This record gives sequence, structure tokens and C-alpha cells, in this order.
Amino acid sequence: DTGVSQDPRHKITKRGQNVTFRCDPISEHNRLYWYRQTLGQGPEFLTYFQNEAQLEKSRLLSDRFSAERPKGSFSTLEIQRTEQGDSAMYLCASSLWTRAEKLFFGSGTQLSVL
Amino acid sequence: GNSVTQMEGPVTLSEEAFLTINCTYTATGYPSLFWYVQYPGEGLQLLLKATKADDKGSNKGFEATYRKETTSFHLEKGSVQVSDSAVYFCALSSIQGAQKLVFGQGTRLTINP
Repeated sequence: DTGVSQDPRHKITKRGQNVTFRCDPISEHNRLYWYRQTLGQGPEFLTYFQNEAQLEKSRLLSDRFSAERPKGSFSTLEIQRTEQGDSAMYLCASSLWTRAEKLFFGSGTQLSVL
Repeated sequence: GNSVTQMEGPVTLSEEAFLTINCTYTATGYPSLFWYVQYPGEGLQLLLKATKADDKGSNKGFEATYRKETTSFHLEKGSVQVSDSAVYFCALSSIQGAQKLVFGQGTRLTINP
């Protein structure tokens, strides 16, 4: 069990640029989740996948955000035309669908938009 | 909508003190309740859970009881250690199996030796 890994750990970008984050879940986990966490707040749900299918998206996920999980393994989260309000920690989590009550979180990608 | 409210931090205690971190929730139906912990530099980890009223979740000396009548899930530990220093998040899931968690804002706990 190597855990959930996220890359990069930190990303600094200028407003208007596009950024992409990667998440590698625990290998046998078929569910993958993205959350966003701002300073002093708890994580907020963005979207989740079961295998390669994206089953739910939050209203927080505007048109500038897109997530994929092309082969049901790793996932990417892309933000287009970044805004300062996108600055946050982006967390990925995974689970088995049979043990969906136990999520394993990565350490996150900290995004700073200047 | 569903929401979770935790006691504000930060909380600072001495080693071996008794800990309570309050958590109340608002939800439709019968949610599952969770406590997650985030140690410095690490990802969130599930600490304990309870899936129905009057259930008690426990792990590593921590306990929390699902109280439907007061819509609460307070976290307790009888004797804290320096290694318990972390941020604690209360959360709920109202859809069985989907695990779309709604988190509280977190409570930072510092234990001094």
C-alpha cells in the first residue's frame, strides 16, 4: 500500500494560466474523489469517479474545471484561465466501492494564483 | 442542506488532559458520521465512524457517540498525548456508499508536554 500520491505538491501560477494536477490512487481502489480546501476550512467535495465514469460533480466545479480518469487508474484535474479565487489545496482521495466509508487521502496540491 | 459545525480552535491542552471537541450536524435522513485527523505534513486519515444512532465509534483511545436527539458527534479522549497534536475534522455522509463527505471547518489541537 503506497498510498494516494498527488503531483505536484505546490503550484504557483499567474492569473489566466491553465494548470493540471495529477492523482494516483491506491492501485486496487475503484473510487476516486477530488476535494478543495481553503485556509481554515474543511475540504469541499468537487467530483468523484467510479472506475473511469464521473458520477457526480459539485456546483463548485465551474466550466473552467475538468476532471478525467481515462483508464480508471490515475486522474487529472485541470483548471483553465485560473483566477485568484482558485487558490486552495486540492485533495484527492480513493476508496474501494465496497468499503466506500473509508477514504484514503493524498497530501494535496497547494495552488497559488498570483 | 447538510452541514457540520465544530467548536472553534485552536485548542491547547497539557499532556494527559481530557479532550472534548464538539461537533453538531444538520442533515436530512440518517447520515453516517466521521472524525478525520490530519497530522502535520500528512493527508487526512479516518479516525473513527458511526453509521446509526447510539453507535459509538472508537480508535486509538478516541471515542464519539452518534446522538440523534442532539444531532451531535462529540470527540473525546481521556488522556491526550503530544502525538495527538493535529487538526481534527468532523464530517457526515448522507448518501450510503457514495461518500460525498461534508466536513466541518476543523479544530487544531496542540498538546504540550
